Amino acid sequence: AQRVTQPEKLLSVFKGAPVELKCNYSYSGSPELFWYVQYSRQRLQLLLRHISRESIKGFTADLNKGETSFHLKKPFAQEEDSAMYYCALSQRGGSNYKLTFGKGTLLTVNP
Amino acid sequence: SAVISQKPSRDICQRGTSLTIQCQVDSQVTMMFWYRQQPGQSLTLIATANQGSEATYESGFVIDKFPISRPNLTFSTLTVSNMSPEDSSIYLCSGRLFANTGELFFGEGSRLTVL
Repeated sequence: AQRVTQPEKLLSVFKGAPVELKCNYSYSGSPELFWYVQYSRQRLQLLLRHISRESIKGFTADLNKGETSFHLKKPFAQEEDSAMYYCALSQRGGSNYKLTFGKGTLLTVNP
Repeated sequence: SAVISQKPSRDICQRGTSLTIQCQVDSQVTMMFWYRQQPGQSLTLIATANQGSEATYESGFVIDKFPISRPNLTFSTLTVSNMSPEDSSIYLCSGRLFANTGELFFGEGSRLTVL
């Protein structure tokens, strides 16, 4: 079974401070990991995925297979980063994808 | 990318009634899924909507309670049957556009309140 754990339900930082949202996963196969974000009154949208190895809005996430982690990081948080962040896992290369979500972390960036 | 539209966006329903949520995608998606997001909870997959055949339900969800249709590649419906207050939730439609990735696009969600 695949499982995603986000240990922090709430995270509050000040503007300009570094931020790290933690995500650990459990999966026996080859995973594909994602971070989704939901801003206030907006739909859930993809922030980034590990196979792209890209930085979006200053956020990066590295897949660490040894630690089974996919933490989301940003060196300098901005107020507009305040949102709900979900880590998600899917089977990689399979024909019947199912995306499993963590419980989410509500990030608040204070001025 | 794909734009997914859901309606209704919200509704207040009486116990024992049923409500159908519609999901329209602006492009042909390979797969469509229905999720539920209960208050304060994460997203839980209800079922995979299969075109032209019965949906594939996850553990804890049954067709009699959540009948799903997908007559073509761009449209699906989810019915919440015989509703109770425990069904109060946000129901999300999602679609997978590309065959080689698990990336999903989501609708705005349908917020149901059952009295």
